[in-house]
Amino acid sequence: DSGVTQTPKHLITATGQRVTLRCSPRSGDLSVYWYQQSLDQGLQFLIQYYNGEERAKGNILERFSAQQFPDLHSELNLSSLELGDSALYFCASSVAGTPNEKLFFGSGTQLSVL
Amino acid sequence: DQQVKQNSPSLSVQEGRISILNCDYTNSMFDYFLWYKKYPAEGPTFLISISSIKDKNEDGRFTVFLNKSAKHLSLHIVPSQPGDSAVYFCAASGAGGYQKVTFGTGTKLQVIP
Repeated sequence: DSGVTQTPKHLITATGQRVTLRCSPRSGDLSVYWYQQSLDQGLQFLIQYYNGEERAKGNILERFSAQQFPDLHSELNLSSLELGDSALYFCASSVAGTPNEKLFFGSGTQLSVL
Repeated sequence: DQQVKQNSPSLSVQEGRISILNCDYTNSMFDYFLWYKKYPAEGPTFLISISSIKDKNEDGRFTVFLNKSAKHLSLHIVPSQPGDSAVYFCAASGAGGYQKVTFGTGTKLQVIP
């Protein structure tokens, strides 16, 4: 158990809909990361937050947004969903959000867009 | 633009033998490299890392080698055990504008008993 909690584990929805994925980091970790893993793809970095502030941004679509709340949990919002958004979405956390820190991953949310 | 590449999608090794997983990178700004292991239905877990100031780092059965001139790193597992069967991701990070951790596509290792 990494200590990172992601909910829900599975999500099935239709095209055009909006969903919210939730992540609670490990106790004491201030930084949260979101990654997307599509079929046969590596982990694509989406966005990183540190103590409530956006720190780094990757290939995150404009239809996607995220935030980190004062209690340090984070939410990833995906809107106007398309079939290609079907993927496994991972949240990870680290203590200080520095580049060389190891990340602790949740077990992921499997999103299926039908 | 895949800056971290794992060209072997899968690898099968006999139990007790050495497993060698390879990773290439293209961005010379990367200066820290990590390996993560992932079992089905779980998130990746950190395995071992290496800084660009070193060319080798060892942790028990796991050794990572870094060849900066070739922009290549490898993970050696000796001896391989059936419990090592998993997907292994290579990752890289760097200073400046490359703080995000960039992952490869993974190599699925199967250790045959």
